[in-house]
Amino acid sequence: GENVEQHPSTLSVQEGDSAVIKCTYSDSASNYFPWYKQELGKRPQLIIDIRSNVGEKKDQRIAVTLNKTAKHFSLHITETQPEDSAVYFCAATGSARQLTFGSGTQLTVLP
Amino acid sequence: NAGVTQTPKFQVLKTGQSMTLQCAQDMNHNSMYWYRQDPGMGLRLIYYSASEGTTDKGEVPNGYNVSRLNKREFSLRLESAAPSQTSVYFCASSGGTAATNEKLFFGSGTQLSVL
Repeated sequence: GENVEQHPSTLSVQEGDSAVIKCTYSDSASNYFPWYKQELGKRPQLIIDIRSNVGEKKDQRIAVTLNKTAKHFSLHITETQPEDSAVYFCAATGSARQLTFGSGTQLTVLP
Repeated sequence: NAGVTQTPKFQVLKTGQSMTLQCAQDMNHNSMYWYRQDPGMGLRLIYYSASEGTTDKGEVPNGYNVSRLNKREFSLRLESAAPSQTSVYFCASSGGTAATNEKLFFGSGTQLSVL
């Protein structure tokens, strides 16, 4: 089945700096790659997603890039703010058509 | 709209006890899911239901059973709880079928401790 690896597990940045989280996947049939944000004690919520026919997608300060050849995708957050502090999960839909999640990245934005 | 509602929010069980986690969605979604979340392991799929009347195993189904009672409700049952089932459980739903890729809407979670 699909295997998704996510790095780093923890990330600290200064407010206003950029943050990058990277994921790799194993199933070449994967074609959907969402990112979820989970604030402390809350439920995960979708923040952005990308499909395999697109190389990059942007939504205000958040962008996701996909390299199908290398089987990796990344989340980019620019001009980070304290409210960006949370756990971020990447995920991929493999040939089993179910989402497999990465292990998560704890992002801390320091004031 | 309440979205996805799951109960209870917290539960403590003794080893060997049984319980059922309840989940309901009011978005007329076809697909429903049960995940468990453990530190450092992300969200792992236990069971899912692509449509009313169907259920399938996910990545970690052992020790669990599910029932898709109707289009709105999807329950998760632990027949004989074990300490390894201590986790946070999330129910989720999505509008598409299992063959399409749709946004997951999560419930607020159940913190389960098995002593």
